[in-house]
Amino acid sequence: EAGVAQSPRYKIIEKRQSVAFWCNPISGHATLYWYQQILGQGPKLLIQFQNNGVVDDSQLPKDRFSAERLKGVDSTLKIQPAKLEDSAVYLCASSLNGGGETQYFGPGTRLLVL
Amino acid sequence: GENVEQHPSTLSVQEGDSAVIKCTYSDSASNYFPWYKQELGKRPQLIIDIRSNVGEKKDQRIAVTLNKTAKHFSLHITETQPEDSAVYFCAAGTGANSKLTFGKGITLSVRP
Repeated sequence: EAGVAQSPRYKIIEKRQSVAFWCNPISGHATLYWYQQILGQGPKLLIQFQNNGVVDDSQLPKDRFSAERLKGVDSTLKIQPAKLEDSAVYLCASSLNGGGETQYFGPGTRLLVL
Repeated sequence: GENVEQHPSTLSVQEGDSAVIKCTYSDSASNYFPWYKQELGKRPQLIIDIRSNVGEKKDQRIAVTLNKTAKHFSLHITETQPEDSAVYFCAAGTGANSKLTFGKGITLSVRP
C-alpha cells in the first residue's frame, strides 16, 4: 500500500513569511497527526485529527499555526508568520483509528526559516 | 502532561553485542509504549510496541519490557548489526486517543 505522502520536501523562507505543508495519509486511515521535530529532539505532537475533527491541538501555537482536514482525507498545516524557531522537520503521520494503533510517518518537510 | 526521558543519550556497542535502551515516563495513566527507529534523514519507523497489560514482548532480535510500578520500559537488541545504527525514540501514549509523547532519542552506533 502507498505510504503517507507529504509535500514539499524542503522549504526555505524568511522570517515573517508564511508557508503551508500538505499531507495525504494512508488510504482508509481516519486519524492524522502533525508533528514538529526540532534537530536533536523527538517528534512533538502539534495536532491530531479524527476524520475531519480536531482531537487534540493543545501544543499547537495557535497565534501562528493553523491546520485543517476539511474532507477527512488530506490535510494542510500553515505557519503565518514564521519565526526562526520554527525551523524544524514537520512530520505527518496517520493511523487506522488512533487509540494506540501504529502511527505511520511520512517523509517530512524540512523547513528552514532565515 | 506526560514527560518521557531516555537514557543514555548515546550508546556504542561492538557488532554482535547486546544493546539496552531505557526510558522512564511520568504519567501512570499511559497505556501504550512504542519504539521508533529513525535513520539519518529518514522518517521514524515503528519497530516494536507494548501495551500496559503486557510485561514483555519479543520480535526476533528485539524485545521490550515494561515495569508499570517503576514507570520505565526498555528496548533490548541482541546480536547487534551495523544496520541497527540509528536514533531510537521511545514514546508513551496517554488517554483514549493514546496521544504520544516522545523522548529525545538515543543514538546507537554499532561498531563493525
